[in-house]
Amino acid sequence: DVKVTQSSRYLVKRTGEKVFLECVQDMDHENMFWYRQDPGLGLRLIYFSYDVKMKEKGDIPEGYSVSREKKERFSLILESASTNQTSMYLCASSLPPDGEQYFGPGTRLTVT
Amino acid sequence: KQEVTQIPAALSVPEGENLVLNCSFTDSAIYNLQWFRQDPGKGLTSLLLIQSSQREQTSGRLNASLDKSSGRSTLYIAASQPGDSATYLCAVRLRGGSQGNLIFGKGTKLSVKP
Repeated sequence: DVKVTQSSRYLVKRTGEKVFLECVQDMDHENMFWYRQDPGLGLRLIYFSYDVKMKEKGDIPEGYSVSREKKERFSLILESASTNQTSMYLCASSLPPDGEQYFGPGTRLTVT
Repeated sequence: KQEVTQIPAALSVPEGENLVLNCSFTDSAIYNLQWFRQDPGKGLTSLLLIQSSQREQTSGRLNASLDKSSGRSTLYIAASQPGDSATYLCAVRLRGGSQGNLIFGKGTKLSVKP
């Protein structure tokens, strides 16, 4: 059974803190994605990675960076958390070029 | 720019009813279309994936169709149950460009009343 896991379900951080969100998949997928989901705005892509150490910006990369040192792990980094980064963060993975995307359970991040 | 629209935003039906959820997209140059289910506060569960060369896919009580020329997809749910209550999202994957993300609609929130 396919599985995408995320390090935390709920996270509360203070403004200015550095935040790490981790995602792990056990399906040997090349592609991994980070989205955020906000009411009224839907899901928007932050970054994706199509191979180890490879990454591309999505629609809203500002304020975020990513790291992919191993195929199964994709990390999202908020260098200096701000209140407008309070959101639900969702990780996904897929096989290229047109594979089905599988999502993790999400991390609800609150920045105070 | 590709836009994905889902109408209605919310739908309430009595248990046992057959129902159709709609998804439309503006650019027909898609790789595939995927339907998801999302329960409150949870991640997305993939329901069906339709490749651009396909017309429909079925899984149990679910049937999804794709008409690329008109930019439409429908998700048909037969004999609805209270456990089907959730938000249903459609997403398209564009041709060309990089490996590629999905473009999501904002979802239809379905409530099935016992």
